Amino acid sequence: DAKTTQPPSMDCAEGRAANLPCNHSTISGNEYVYWYRQIHSQGPQYIIHGLKNNETNEMASLIITEDRKSSTLILPHATLRDTAVYYCIAVSAGGTSYGKLTFGQGTILTVHP
Amino acid sequence: GAGVSQSPSNKVTEKGKDVELRCDPISGHTALYWYRQSLGQGLEFLIYFQGNSAPDKSGLPSDRFSAERTGGSVSTLTIQRTQQEDSAVYLCASSLYGRGEKLFFGSGTQLSVL
Repeated sequence: DAKTTQPPSMDCAEGRAANLPCNHSTISGNEYVYWYRQIHSQGPQYIIHGLKNNETNEMASLIITEDRKSSTLILPHATLRDTAVYYCIAVSAGGTSYGKLTFGQGTILTVHP
Repeated sequence: GAGVSQSPSNKVTEKGKDVELRCDPISGHTALYWYRQSLGQGLEFLIYFQGNSAPDKSGLPSDRFSAERTGGSVSTLTIQRTQQEDSAVYLCASSLYGRGEKLFFGSGTQLSVL
């Protein structure tokens, strides 16, 4: 799976949009971009995923550039409960290594009042 | 159950003892994963089960670690002769088909080896 690069930390004011970037310049055509987050002392939680089109669900929006080399996770109205580590990973839809998802260090998002 | 269940939530053991960690995946999920997370670190893949296929054990750090999945459901991760460096949160996840779709994680077992 392609390597992803994220900033180690970001801050956001409560009520504002949080925009978390992710670079995945070596992503291949059959790799999805997945986002998970991990709130302290809990297991990671799925947020959203996409292949090439922008996606939106009840938690967030995912914007993927046309060349698919980067993406941005958008939390439209961040709350204090959104403080967590956010992981961006590239997941192959084919191949034989489905289980070996590589979670890097992620981005520590701190939402402050 | 509604989600992935892991037990115990906390385990304290003495160096050299064996421990067993249990994972109950979401009913109907064919794929099950074990990860390890040391303090302040990212997730480290350990092992992956998918249906009746042979498990992918390539992430197990040593032969002291083993895992089994009985009846395609419950899984047990066993660590023999525990060492202090085994102290970590052990996370289990399951997914419907194991084809790269989203994973559902349990809350983990915090293992402390004294």
